[in-house]
Amino acid sequence: AQSVTQLDSHVSVSEGTPVLLRCNYSSSYSPSLFWYVQHPNKGLQLLLKYTSAATLVKGINGFEAEFKKSETSFHLTKPSAHMSDAAEYFCVVSAPASGTYKYIFGTGTRLKVLA
Amino acid sequence: DTEVTQTPKHLVMGMTNKKSLKCEQHMGHRAMYWYKQKAKKPPELMFVYSYEKLSINESVPSRFSPECPNSSLLNLHLHALQPEDSALYLCASSRTGLGDNEKLFFGSGTQLSVL
Repeated sequence: AQSVTQLDSHVSVSEGTPVLLRCNYSSSYSPSLFWYVQHPNKGLQLLLKYTSAATLVKGINGFEAEFKKSETSFHLTKPSAHMSDAAEYFCVVSAPASGTYKYIFGTGTRLKVLA
Repeated sequence: DTEVTQTPKHLVMGMTNKKSLKCEQHMGHRAMYWYKQKAKKPPELMFVYSYEKLSINESVPSRFSPECPNSSLLNLHLHALQPEDSALYLCASSRTGLGDNEKLFFGSGTQLSVL
C-alpha cells in the first residue's frame, strides 16, 4: 500500500536561509507524489508534483523537490526562506482504489520562519 | 474560474440537528472529494465521487451522507452528529479522478462545531 512519512513535525529556519522538509514514501511501484501547502485559515494549494517525467521538480514560489528512488524520498527545498513561507506543508501520495485514485496525506510539517 | 466554493464557512449544530454542507466548482471537473481535518492533523479522505458516482467511501459513519446531484455540485448531509465530529470539512475537485497525478483544487472549508 502507498504511504508517505514526513520526518519532521516542526521545522524552524531564519529568513533568508535554506528550507528542507523531508518526506519518505512507500510504494510497490513508481508513485505520483505531491507537496501541498496550507496557510493558516486558508485552503490547501498544490506546490508541485512528481509524475516520473523528471526527478527534479520545480514548483511555485521557488520551491522544488527531488525524487530519489534509491532513498525512497521526495524532499522539498527552497534556497531562501521568506516570512510568507510560514505554513503547514503536506507530502501526498496517490493510490488506486475502486477504479479511481485517492490522495493520502502525510502527517504534515509546520514551517516556522524567524525574522 | 479555478475556485471551489464551500458554504457555509462556519456551522454550529446540535447533536439532533440535520444540516448540509455544500461545495460547488465550475471548472468542468468530474471528480469531487470530501476530506475531514481535525486541528493540527492532516486531511483525512472521506468520500470520492467520479463522474457523479460514489467511488470511495472510507468507512465513514452513516451519519454522514454524501450526494453529488451533478458534476458541479457536492453535498454532505449531516444527521445526529457527535461532538467528536467537530472539524474542518474540506471539499476538493480534480479533472476526472481517473488519473494518478491529478491536481486537487481545494475549497477553504466549513468549520463545523457540534454541541
